[in-house]
Amino acid sequence: ETGVTQTPRHLVMGMTNKKSLKCEQHLGHNAMYWYKQSAKKPLELMFVYNFKEQTENNSVPSRFSPECPNSSHLFLHLHTLQPEDSALYLCASSPKTSGGADTQYFGPGTRLTVL
Amino acid sequence: QKEVEQNSGPLSVPEGAIASLNCTYSDRGSQSFFWYRQYSGKSPELIMFIYSNGDKEDGRFTAQLNKASQYVSLLIRDSQPSDSATYLCAVIPSLAGGYNKLIFGAGTRLAVHP
Repeated sequence: ETGVTQTPRHLVMGMTNKKSLKCEQHLGHNAMYWYKQSAKKPLELMFVYNFKEQTENNSVPSRFSPECPNSSHLFLHLHTLQPEDSALYLCASSPKTSGGADTQYFGPGTRLTVL
Repeated sequence: QKEVEQNSGPLSVPEGAIASLNCTYSDRGSQSFFWYRQYSGKSPELIMFIYSNGDKEDGRFTAQLNKASQYVSLLIRDSQPSDSATYLCAVIPSLAGGYNKLIFGAGTRLAVHP
């Protein structure tokens, strides 16, 4: 256990549904991240939040909408997804955001299937 | 050119041997380098990180960094079947790219056979 939890662990949704993924970190970290991992492809960074502020949007389609109400919680709201959005969605957190690099710890992921 | 390149494998080694995993990166200004292990169906878990040229050892794992050659490697000594997984190399590019923006390689699949 890394101290980063994600719910649900598995999600099947239709293209017209609206759903949300939740991530919570119990590590006192200040930065949180969403990644997408598709088969045979590298992890793709989607969003970065530092101290609740979004600092990176890696050209993600608007059908993915992140929300970070506080430093411990991160959501990914999904609507009108496409079948090609089926993937493992990973949340990560890291301790610090200023000066130098820090280490990211991953949650278990949500396996999303879009029908 | 991909930002972080790894041979996809599989790299097959016998139990007890040294497994050598390699990674090259394109951003010469990159400062931080990470190795993650990912078992099938699981999320990545951090093995180790390295910032300075040279070797860094942690138990059976040694990370090697050569910034001049833009090359980072991971050695696993006394490989065990439980080491069979995909190993992900990740790099934080130069400051212009963001100091906490990790760029991942596609991973090398390691298979350790008894």
